[in-house]
Amino acid sequence: GDSVTQMEGPVTLSEEAFLTINCTYTATGYPSLFWYVQYPGEGLQLLLKATKADDKGSNKGFEATYRKETTSFHLEKGSVQVSDSAVYFCALRGYTGRRALTFGSGTRLQVQP
Amino acid sequence: GAGVSQSPRYKVAKRGQDVALRCDPISGHVSLFWYQQALGQGPEFLTYFQNEAQLDKSGLPSDRFFAERPEGSVSTLKIQRTQQEDSAVYLCASSQDPVSNQPQHFGDGTRLSIL
Repeated sequence: GDSVTQMEGPVTLSEEAFLTINCTYTATGYPSLFWYVQYPGEGLQLLLKATKADDKGSNKGFEATYRKETTSFHLEKGSVQVSDSAVYFCALRGYTGRRALTFGSGTRLQVQP
Repeated sequence: GAGVSQSPRYKVAKRGQDVALRCDPISGHVSLFWYQQALGQGPEFLTYFQNEAQLDKSGLPSDRFFAERPEGSVSTLKIQRTQQEDSAVYLCASSQDPVSNQPQHFGDGTRLSIL
């Protein structure tokens, strides 16, 4: 079945540092890929998405590129802020069949001033 | 508000009691999903509705879990004879339609604690 693997956290960075959160997936066909973010005390929010190979999703300075050859969708940001502190979830939706999302276990990011 | 609304926000129940969790999706959204999120984990799929039809309930962990969406809008997730392992955050999500690649919009969840 489909699965998503994320790097374990917490990831602790200083403000303005470069961020990478690794995500790899297992799925048949051509899934759509997503990053969701969960700020403290809030619900899941869609951060960015990519629906086909080599697509780059971007939002709020975050980027992720759909790499089919490495089955990866790593999240990056050039300069993190304290307000980026949150839990980040990588997810996929299969190409056919079930429309539900399959999530990774989440990576907590802590940005220190 | 325009988002997905879930109630109650917090629910505490004694082991063996029945609970009902409510989800109000975004108006006009055809697809509705329920997920269960254990502490420190990602959400896991429970069940999926397209309008009032429950098309997929493969993620429901036992026959104690039951979901309905009788008029194709509001949905209720019911858990009978609750057990401690049912303690989790229950998330509801909706999306515009099942065919296009529209994203799922999540509610803030109901945190269920079974004592």
